[in-house]
Amino acid sequence: KAGVTQTPRYLIKTRGQQVTLSCSPISGHRSVSWYQQTPGQGLQFLFEYFSETQRNKGNFPGRFSGRQFSNSRSEMNVSTLELGDSALYLCASSRDRGRGNTIYFGEGSWLTVV
Amino acid sequence: SQQGEEDPQALSIQEGENATMNCSYKTSINNLQWYRQNSGRGLVHLILIRSNEREKHSGRLRVTLDTSKKSSSLLITASRAADTASYFCATDGRGGSEKLVFGKGTKLTVNP
Repeated sequence: KAGVTQTPRYLIKTRGQQVTLSCSPISGHRSVSWYQQTPGQGLQFLFEYFSETQRNKGNFPGRFSGRQFSNSRSEMNVSTLELGDSALYLCASSRDRGRGNTIYFGEGSWLTVV
Repeated sequence: SQQGEEDPQALSIQEGENATMNCSYKTSINNLQWYRQNSGRGLVHLILIRSNEREKHSGRLRVTLDTSKKSSSLLITASRAADTASYFCATDGRGGSEKLVFGKGTKLTVNP
């Protein structure tokens, strides 16, 4: 069974550009979440999607957005990139929402903004 | 802001020794999960312990949870060089959210 798959694994963007990251959850998983990891702030929750609806959102500016498709695949977009957006972006999936779900992570997408 | 706090921040041991990492959190939880992260890689799920459980084992891993103290510990027995990684605890809030709140992690180095 394939794990959580994220693409691309590495990318370099210039300030002011936008970026789209993709995530394919584990087959059968319907909940997808995104996290940002930086050396300074650690792992921080971005948003959670379930049944194509955003269920929860972290404390990030509106430049960060996401969506989920009917096949549970998800994308996140960051517009008007800033140097501080350089980070490892991690996608996670779980079978359902609610108590006791093991949450699995992908390998992440390394974003460098120059 | 981080809910969890891992202790110690860094730990260096010899192969074969046991490694104990602690995690404290602030609010009521449904579950607590431990993850491992090798440098530059994603998070690997190690173990989930529910709020009504006190101890759980998985191979060389032993996790305890004390909800009265809002703390958990991860014990790795007979450590190996391959255990070198950062270890994070993550808690979820009540209410069905899949949002995890992570601590800053413990960086474990196992010397061969």
